[in-house]
Formats: sequence, C-alpha cells, structure tokens
Amino acid sequence: GQNIDQPTEMTATEGAIVQINCTYQTSGFNGLFWYQQHAGEAPTFLSYNVLDGLEEKGRFSSFLSRSKGYSYLLLKELQMKDSASYLCAVRDGSDYKLSFGAGTTVTVRA
Amino acid sequence: DADVTQTPRNRITKTGKRIMLECSQTKGHDRMYWYRQDPGLGLRLIYYSFDVKDINKGEISDGYSVSRQAQAKFSLSLESAIPNQTALYFCATSDFSRVTDTQYFGPGTRLTVL
Repeated sequence: GQNIDQPTEMTATEGAIVQINCTYQTSGFNGLFWYQQHAGEAPTFLSYNVLDGLEEKGRFSSFLSRSKGYSYLLLKELQMKDSASYLCAVRDGSDYKLSFGAGTTVTVRA
Repeated sequence: DADVTQTPRNRITKTGKRIMLECSQTKGHDRMYWYRQDPGLGLRLIYYSFDVKDINKGEISDGYSVSRQAQAKFSLSLESAIPNQTALYFCATSDFSRVTDTQYFGPGTRLTVL
C-alpha cells in the first residue's frame, strides 16, 4: 500500500512561486502524478515523474527523488486561476492502482 | 464534446434506495475506474476494470457493485444507499498501451443520500 502526505493548505501572492511537497511510503513504485482540481470540478492531469529529476512544463515543474520518497510541484508566476487543490498520486508497481494524497489547497491572493 | 461523461451529474436520494451511476468514454481506453471523494480524505478507489471481462475491488468496495457493459461503459451501483455514501463520485479512464497510463477523469456525480 501507499502512505502519501502533503500539506493541507498554502497561500501565495499573484506572481510569486509556490512549492508543494509530497512524501510517500510505498511497497512498490511505478510513477508519481500531480493533478490540479478546481472546486467542484474533475481533477486534471498536470505532470508525471517516474525517474529522478525535474520535469518542466511551462510555469509548472515537478521533481522526484525515489530514494527519499519525495516529490514537489513548483508553480511559478502564480495567477489567480491557479487557486485550486493539487493532488499528489503514486502508482503501485504490482497492480498499477493510483493512491492519492488528500490534496493541497493553494490560494492565490492579489 | 467531453471524452468522459457521467450521468447523472447530481442526485439526491433516500436511504435504502438503489442508485446507478453511469460512465461513458469516447477515448478508446481499456481501463476504467470509480472513485469517491470526501472532504479531507482525497480520492479513494472503489472498483476498477482493466478490460471488459476484468473487474477488481478497490480499497472501499463494500456497499457498491459495478458492471462493465462494454469497453466504453462502466456503471457503479449502490444497492441500498446509506447517508455515509454521500460524496462526489468520479469515473476515470486510462490507456495501458501508453507508457504513462495516465488517468483522465469525468466531471463527477454529486450524490446526496438523505
């Protein structure tokens, strides 16, 4: 099984940078995903990491360290529309199921 | 048009009633999933299906059943609804032939059991 931890809430100012950390303990690892979810809407895919290192996609970057069981999602040049919940999810290598963290609610203030 | 659709989008029902939530997809994916989301608990897997003849229980399958009628359709049933099944329900799909096997979510069904 998986045990996934991420902070409950974060607040940042428009134009700033925010880093959302995710730690996990797993019996088998086959990739880590980040999703964005606006209130009352479906989660939408942001990024995928399976190897150590940084993946960059425009204003969003995601980092993975498998040896430390650690990932972060970096949001740069924050915009008001980035106010949402960010979900960290780990895929099990034996059955390919995803386990989700409880999510981090990011509030962007003007 | 949306690739993953769910019906109904909202439902209010009474304790003891049988409820069916439906999911359809036009993405051509082989894998489908049902999750529920509760405040502070994140998404939890109820059932999943890797193809039409394959059904597997997730971490919280008690009180639920599913049917995979076709590759594109996956239904979730609550045989006798109870108030603690009030939640936001999401269907998701993924394509195992792709390296990432990323899951894509439908818009959700908000279910209230009185």
